[in-house]
Amino acid sequence: GQNIDQPTEMTATEGAIVQINCTYQTSGFNGLFWYQQHAGEAPTFLSYNVLDGLEEKGRFSSFLSRSKGYSYLLLKELQMKDSASYLCAVKDSNYQLIWGAGTKLIIKP
Amino acid sequence: GAVVSQHPSWVICKSGTSVKIECRSLDFQATTMFWYRQFPKQSLMLMATSNEGSKATYEQGVEKDKFLINHASLTLSTLTVTSAHPEDSSFYICSVLGGPSGNQPQHFGDGTRLSIL
Repeated sequence: GQNIDQPTEMTATEGAIVQINCTYQTSGFNGLFWYQQHAGEAPTFLSYNVLDGLEEKGRFSSFLSRSKGYSYLLLKELQMKDSASYLCAVKDSNYQLIWGAGTKLIIKP
Repeated sequence: GAVVSQHPSWVICKSGTSVKIECRSLDFQATTMFWYRQFPKQSLMLMATSNEGSKATYEQGVEKDKFLINHASLTLSTLTVTSAHPEDSSFYICSVLGGPSGNQPQHFGDGTRLSIL
């Protein structure tokens, strides 16, 4: 079966750095997406990786290793507004998006 | 990226009522839209893929007669929850692909919170 694993919850301190990991086992791979979802709101797109390596976008970076079935989202200079759930999603061989359960990130002052 | 408008934001109604949710793609024509459901503290669950001009493709376990999808135009898809019951209370979200290529993300509407009394 297809599976995406993320930690359920993480806690970090304002101003610090946090890395949210995602491992996947899917039938084929056509890209990996990270989304941010604040409580009670719809997800918003953060990043996309299809080739191995690091994609940097401001305070957020996303890394992919296809051979390991592994990605991480790196958040720097954490702000209180970064408290949210972070969803990892993979497009399989049929271009169907498979969603992880999300990681709830709690930022403490 | 695509801008998606979803209405209504909140619905509270009695058991047995049918509820229609609209999803509009505002800045480009979308042949495909997606409908998701999300229960509290759970992940997004794809309910169905809405295809313009043809029948929707429903995920396993989703009752197509209960969740009616109509994608009559390239900018509008509707989801009707027929004879809603308390167990249908959930957060319903639609999304649109940002473009035709495989690397395009899905852009989401703001969601509809449905509460059935």
